[in-house]
Amino acid sequence: GAGVSQSPSNKVTEKGKDVELRCDPISGHTALYWYRQSLGQGLEFLIYFQGNSAPDKSGLPSDRFSAERTGGSVSTLTIQRTQQEDSAVYLCASEGHNEQFFGPGTRLTVL
Amino acid sequence: EDQVTQSPEALRLQEGESSSLNCSYTVSGLRGLFWYRQDPGKGPEFLFTLYSAGEEKEKERLKATLTKKESFLHITAPKPEDSATYLCAVQVKGAQKLVFGQGTRLTINP
Repeated sequence: GAGVSQSPSNKVTEKGKDVELRCDPISGHTALYWYRQSLGQGLEFLIYFQGNSAPDKSGLPSDRFSAERTGGSVSTLTIQRTQQEDSAVYLCASEGHNEQFFGPGTRLTVL
Repeated sequence: EDQVTQSPEALRLQEGESSSLNCSYTVSGLRGLFWYRQDPGKGPEFLFTLYSAGEEKEKERLKATLTKKESFLHITAPKPEDSATYLCAVQVKGAQKLVFGQGTRLTINP
């Protein structure tokens, strides 16, 4: 497809379980971002990948959060031992010509 | 600390009633200011990037302007389909991430 895709679109999990969220960026975009949008709050930066450079992890809220990007394309955001405060919409964006194009997001609900 | 504040939080207009949304920012050095539109259940959709004070960009009924302290998104003769949340974000010099405001929820009544 032409845009950024994310899967799953919705994820319901139990507290303490691990979850993996996937992002497929626009083909050819070397930069990829993860953001989190909590109810009533603005988008919060989590992590940034650019080519083969070391990722900027400065926005990850705790060591339970990690992300990787394989082959410079698909990225996976992993949340270990989920907590209720992790409930949010997780958005992925890829960048081309200094414009960030967002995917539809994954809505995560931790019960 | 880099901050972005949008006002108002919510705005209701009648169809055809023009208005403006405000985005105030405090940053160490501005690389770019971005406007996005977000519909419920969807990711933000890119509208504009502004790079320097005095710059203006237009798209259909929307016009974005930039000063050294704030940006305005002017909406002229809006239609119900312009109803959405409008997000403002800044990109700081030396960084890649966007710092977002809380958004303005705009409702256009027919």
